[in-house]
Amino acid sequence: QKEVEQDPGPLSVPEGAIVSLNCTYSNSAFQYFMWYRQYSRKGPELLMYTYSSGNKEDGRFTAQVDKSSKYISLFIRDSQPSDSATYLCAMSAGGTSYGKLTFGQGTILTVHP
Amino acid sequence: GAGVSQSPRYKVTKRGQDVTLRCDPISSHATLYWYQQALGQGPEFLTYFNYEAQPDKSGLPSDRFSAERPEGSISTLTIQRTEQRDSAMYRCASSLGGVDTQYFGPGTRLTVL
Repeated sequence: QKEVEQDPGPLSVPEGAIVSLNCTYSNSAFQYFMWYRQYSRKGPELLMYTYSSGNKEDGRFTAQVDKSSKYISLFIRDSQPSDSATYLCAMSAGGTSYGKLTFGQGTILTVHP
Repeated sequence: GAGVSQSPRYKVTKRGQDVTLRCDPISSHATLYWYQQALGQGPEFLTYFNYEAQPDKSGLPSDRFSAERPEGSISTLTIQRTEQRDSAMYRCASSLGGVDTQYFGPGTRLTVL
């Protein structure tokens, strides 16, 4: 079983919908939690970053971390066609292992007009 | 430079040949990472460098894989005696270090026939 599990989708929603993306993990040492967005034929780019448990909001995006359940989420409000991409969760244990990211499989999202 | 660059963008080779992939990080970025990304999967950590030092090689799949960063800037990833299972996208990322964001390059698509 992988350390990080993510439903690959694909997920198709109409423009304006609220999107919920989720990951579960098994390694209790993970402290840093990220969401990356990857457009087709491009490298991943950091979207949101959260340390430990809690919520973080940035515009239309909200990241939630529940360490007790080993569950993280990304919510996208008022989704736009430009949000169509693959969303990857990633996490690390911190310390000298901070940069050693463990990624989920990625969820393919399509927002149609 | 403006971003992380990688070359070649595409590499097709025959089983048993050696290949070398190159990564040119964002200038002044101390830390450089290599990941392997299979189709439909998230990136998997291979190794990383802090300047010239390579503190963690734990993700390298076998001793056929090696990486170097002799002057603390450009890095190369070499795969000896390639096998078909080595076919994947190889991504490089760089960061200022510590908890800073990793910026990914466009990747090198390796196909082993």
